Amino acid sequence: GNSVTQMEGPVTLSEEAFLTINCTYTATGYPSLFWYVQYPGEGLQLLLKATKADDKGSNKGFEATYRKETTSFHLEKGSVQVSDSAVYFCALKQTGFQKLVFGTGTRLLVSP
Amino acid sequence: SQTIHQWPATLVQPVGSPLSLECTVEGTSNPNLYWYRQAAGRGLQLLFYSVGIGQISSEVPQNLSASRPQDRQFILSSKKLLLSDSGFYLCAWSPGTGVETQYFGPGTRLLVL
Repeated sequence: GNSVTQMEGPVTLSEEAFLTINCTYTATGYPSLFWYVQYPGEGLQLLLKATKADDKGSNKGFEATYRKETTSFHLEKGSVQVSDSAVYFCALKQTGFQKLVFGTGTRLLVSP
Repeated sequence: SQTIHQWPATLVQPVGSPLSLECTVEGTSNPNLYWYRQAAGRGLQLLFYSVGIGQISSEVPQNLSASRPQDRQFILSSKKLLLSDSGFYLCAWSPGTGVETQYFGPGTRLLVL
């Protein structure tokens, strides 16, 4: 079946450090891939997405590239801020299916 | 623009009591609607989804049920809550046009004691 695997957290960084959160997936065909962010006590917000191989999603300084050959969609940001502290979820959706399949989430803690 | 509302924001209920959580979407027609649960420290699990009024699909057998009495209203219910029903419940919608992206509401935190 379809699944998403994320690196375990928490990831602890100092402000302005480089961020990578790894995400790999297992799926048949060509799913769409997403990163969602959840700030404390809130619902999920779509951060970025990619719908086909080699697409790069980007938003708010974050980016991720859909790599079909490595079945990966790693999230990166060049310089994190304290306000980026949150839980980040990688997810996939197969065309024709309703369900988003989520990873378990990675907590990011950024200190000043 | 589209907005999604959930209420209540927080709920504390005794074991064995009933439950009703409501979700409404504004600014769109005929959306697909979803209920997810997020247990503490875990990822999200899809509970139910609906592609139209009165059409409910269940992903996980449990003591919860869902209903869609109106196009933009989605209700999650239980007749008797269990301790294991505690968690963060998220409603989401997506355009019913094949667009993949789902948009989430602010969530309801449920604590069953």
